Amino acid sequence: GAGVSQSPSNKVTEKGKDVELRCDPISGHTALYWYRQSLGQGLEFLIYFQGNSAPDKSGLPSDRFSAERTGGSVSTLTIQRTQQEDSAVYLCASSFSGGAGEQYFGPGTRLTVT
Amino acid sequence: TQLLEQSPQFLSIQEGENLTVYCNSSSVFSSLQWYRQEPGEGPVLLVTVVTGGEVKKLKRLTFQFGDARKDSSLHITAAQPGDTGLYLCAGEAVSNYQLIWGAGTKLIIKP
Repeated sequence: GAGVSQSPSNKVTEKGKDVELRCDPISGHTALYWYRQSLGQGLEFLIYFQGNSAPDKSGLPSDRFSAERTGGSVSTLTIQRTQQEDSAVYLCASSFSGGAGEQYFGPGTRLTVT
Repeated sequence: TQLLEQSPQFLSIQEGENLTVYCNSSSVFSSLQWYRQEPGEGPVLLVTVVTGGEVKKLKRLTFQFGDARKDSSLHITAAQPGDTGLYLCAGEAVSNYQLIWGAGTKLIIKP
């Protein structure tokens, strides 16, 4: 079956603009995660959705970042008034059961803020 | 807050050499996962270790979970250029079952 897909694969935007990043998880996976990864570095947790529960937003770096998950499936990460320090690869992952279950990652969206 | 320290951050060796990557913490984890990430792709799970002292082998890769479940190692024997990538460890927090990620080890195997 299809894996996790993300779009766009690359996004270049000007400082101050808003961007939306999309994630399509694996069908049937109840958990969805967003991470940020700077070049060649580890993963920075942003937000976690599990079923119908309130999302864990503890990793969002500022109120410019928000995410939603519609119908328990597709998720959109929105960054408002982008800053140069927002430049990174944004990875989405889904998991069948959440928690510490195996996470399946998408290829990421490379965001460059000029 | 549980932290997971990964070392070395960067390793560049010749094909055929052996290497070990470490993940260490002062906290206990319920389990620990190792992922590998290639450029332009997301991380892919290699193995999960659950029991203290557990050793798992995946071809030339040997994963070990410390007896106290606070640390883990990944040993690669006779490294190949295809082993090149970013290796990430992630520990399952005892308190909330979430994954705590290490910062990663960038491994380059030169032919």
